[in-house]
Amino acid sequence: KAGVTQTPRYLIKTRGQQVTLSCSPISGHRSVSWYQQTPGQGLQFLFEYFSETQRNKGNFPGRFSGRQFSNSRSEMNVSTLELGDSALYLCASSGEQDGYTFGSGTRLTVV
Amino acid sequence: AQKVTQAQTEISVVEKEDVTLDCVYETRDTTYYLFWYKQPPSGELVFLIRRNSFDEQNEISGRYSWNFQKSTSSFNFTITASQVVDSAVYFCALSGPDSNYQLIWGAGTKLIIKP
Repeated sequence: KAGVTQTPRYLIKTRGQQVTLSCSPISGHRSVSWYQQTPGQGLQFLFEYFSETQRNKGNFPGRFSGRQFSNSRSEMNVSTLELGDSALYLCASSGEQDGYTFGSGTRLTVV
Repeated sequence: AQKVTQAQTEISVVEKEDVTLDCVYETRDTTYYLFWYKQPPSGELVFLIRRNSFDEQNEISGRYSWNFQKSTSSFNFTITASQVVDSAVYFCALSGPDSNYQLIWGAGTKLIIKP
């Protein structure tokens, strides 16, 4: 079966702009979670959605938001971008009996 | 609070050597899950294993093996007869009710296999 698909793979944005990242989970998986990876902070949890509801949220400012659609696809949005938002953003999908399967990530560079 | 410690920042070995990556965890949960992921330079996190807290049997998958010991809160990963393709960053992670099932990550161990 197809894996987790994240688009786009690479993004370059200017400070102050906003960005939307997309994640399509494995078919049948209803849970989608997002992680930010930076060299300084490592992997940090952003949020998790299940059946269109946010079930859990990490310790990030309100500029970071997300949503999940009825087909389980998820988007995350970052508004008013800062240089420190430059990171690899990883999405994972999981089913009831499965572990977490990650996508290839979106590498965001803020200039 | 939950915590995962990977004390080895970087390990470098020559091909065909065996290498063990250490992972020590902290949790108050009695039910929890432990994971290992591999991250090659491409960035994708590749799932290697999930182990629940009630299953302390060691696992072997080809050249990979895992040693789970609740008594020492450790979940170590061994690669036997390492190969250059094993070069990557390896992450240990933990999830459970205390973290509302989000993954709590170690800092990762960068493994370099020299030819």
